[in-house]
Amino acid sequence: RKEVEQDPGPFNVPEGATVAFNCTYSNSASQSFFWYRQDCRKEPKLLMSVYSSGNEDGRFTAQLNRASQYISLLIRDSKLSDSATYLCVVNRNNDMRFGAGTRLTVKP
Amino acid sequence: EAGVVQSPRYKIIEKKQPVAFWCNPISGHNTLYWYRQNLGQGPELLIRYENEEAVDDSQLPKDRFSAERLKGVDSTLKIQPAELGDSAVYLCASSPGQGNSPLHFGNGTRLTVT
Repeated sequence: RKEVEQDPGPFNVPEGATVAFNCTYSNSASQSFFWYRQDCRKEPKLLMSVYSSGNEDGRFTAQLNRASQYISLLIRDSKLSDSATYLCVVNRNNDMRFGAGTRLTVKP
Repeated sequence: EAGVVQSPRYKIIEKKQPVAFWCNPISGHNTLYWYRQNLGQGPELLIRYENEEAVDDSQLPKDRFSAERLKGVDSTLKIQPAELGDSAVYLCASSPGQGNSPLHFGNGTRLTVT
């Protein structure tokens, strides 16, 4: 079993749609969690950290469920510019592990 | 703040040749990572440094890969000899290493082995 697993995707949604990605992790001692965004042929960039109480940044909402060992990312009112691959990252003692990523395409 | 700097951006070599990648992390970032990313997959950790010490190299193919971070600042990753399967993007990242800080990535080096 992989340490970090994500929805395989791809997700193809119309503009304005709401889309959610899930990510599960195997190490219950994991300490912190992040969502990264990666555009085609670019490096991953931090989208947002995921806090225990859940957190929101504009149209993006991240949630953490430690008991079930999963994190989620919700994107509301999707824009064409949201098209990218979204990577889930799980950290324990600076050991940062990535999921395989979920590709999102937002269409007009 | 200057970001993580990697070079070269692209490298094309023939199999069995050596290749080296260089990374300069963000100033003050003690933790440095080398990842390899294949098409359609997430980054896979090769090696992690805390200052000049390699604290996790369990996934580094040591028969052909080597890395160093002699002064605890910039780092090099070397492959010798390269194989066709080494074609990938090699990403360097750094973090302060404290308080569950996120990673900051360089632009990566796209390696093609022919």
